[in-house]
Amino acid sequence: ETGVTQTPRHLVMGMTNKKSLKCEQHLGHNAMYWYKQSAKKPLELMFVYSLEERVENNSVPSRFSPECPNSSHLFLHLHTLQPEDSALYLCASSHPGLTNTEAFFGQGTRLTVV
Amino acid sequence: EDQVTQSPEALRLQEGESSSLNCSYTVSGLRGLFWYRQDPGKGPEFLFTLYSAGEEKEKERLKATLTKKESFLHITAPKPEDSATYLCAVQAVYNFNKFYFGSGTKLNVKP
Repeated sequence: ETGVTQTPRHLVMGMTNKKSLKCEQHLGHNAMYWYKQSAKKPLELMFVYSLEERVENNSVPSRFSPECPNSSHLFLHLHTLQPEDSALYLCASSHPGLTNTEAFFGQGTRLTVV
Repeated sequence: EDQVTQSPEALRLQEGESSSLNCSYTVSGLRGLFWYRQDPGKGPEFLFTLYSAGEEKEKERLKATLTKKESFLHITAPKPEDSATYLCAVQAVYNFNKFYFGSGTKLNVKP
């Protein structure tokens, strides 16, 4: 079992659809993140959950809705997306309270909005 | 404002031709600097964490170093399988929940 698992790996959705991305971590971390990666841009931090509470929300449109039911699971609910939302969506986890604070990433979900 | 700048944007090397990638950072109190490798269509893979100026870490053909303003990722005698995008990120002492990423250096090693 890999450290951070994302499903699905690929998703094509219409602008009127509703879908969800799922992330699960098996590293015992207590912080989880959603990042958006578009071509030739730095990773954009979308949301951060620490101890299951949202601690960062970087002006993300309301058509993206995160959910963190426990410290091992993170969801990103999508609805009424736009073509410019097509990107690689990455989930990561870390343990900020430890000496080793690096984040570990999942393989990402390649989202295409048509 | 905290930020990370990586250079060059792209680098083409011949197999065996050593070189270095640069990561310049501005952060109000560095907690850690991180290097990742990312293959196309995949998530970033963690390589190194550096915490203080003068620190060095090595893994196979890669060596990361840190000063108070920048970090270098030295690649010695690279092989085609080292081709990837290398990302640098920093974490500030005042916010352990945030990682600031650079745009990356895309490395292409030709046989």
